[in-house]
Amino acid sequence: AQSVTQLGSHVSVSEGALVLLRCNYSSSVPPYLFWYVQYPNQGLQLLLKYTTGATLVKGINGFEAEFKKSETSFHLTKPSAHMSDAAEYFCAVSEAGGYQKVTFGTGTKLQVIP
Amino acid sequence: ETGVTQSPTHLIKTRGQQVTLRCSSQSGHNTVSWYQQALGQGPQFIFQYYREEENGRGNFPPRFSGLQFPNYSSELNVNALELDDSALYLCASSQASYTGELFFGEGSRLTVL
Repeated sequence: AQSVTQLGSHVSVSEGALVLLRCNYSSSVPPYLFWYVQYPNQGLQLLLKYTTGATLVKGINGFEAEFKKSETSFHLTKPSAHMSDAAEYFCAVSEAGGYQKVTFGTGTKLQVIP
Repeated sequence: ETGVTQSPTHLIKTRGQQVTLRCSSQSGHNTVSWYQQALGQGPQFIFQYYREEENGRGNFPPRFSGLQFPNYSSELNVNALELDDSALYLCASSQASYTGELFFGEGSRLTVL
């Protein structure tokens, strides 16, 4: 069984400050890991994904995440927050080679303070 | 390239009624998944369709059912609606050669009174 834990349902940062959203996962097989972003009244958009290979993955809008197997973590970072980053972020996991069930965390709402 | 489209965007039903939600998958995608997102929660996997067959299901009762059509579009049907069925229902399409990425529509928001 796979699961995702996102630490902090709400995170506030000042504009220009570092964004760090935390995610830990559990999977019995090698995982695929994702971060999705959801703006109000919209569907989810993929920010970035880890499948195999390089453990530091870069996504859209300046976000990146590092897969750390030993810590079962996949934290999302951005060096400098922008007002447009205010949204809800979901970490997700699925099993490599399995059918396409994706398990999502409960989400972290990011507030950017001017 | 046409993205995932869902209809209707909003609807209101009463307890005990039935509802059908529709989804057109992204061009070139042959797999469709449905997710339920309750207020303040992450999306929960309902089921997935590939080649018109259900090939995976989450922890949802049988009154949640679906169809996939030869053009890969899909329907989600919910019978005997309950208040707890109020949620945003998201459709996601993907390719069978699974790279992990799901492409989501903007959802259908169902309110059950």
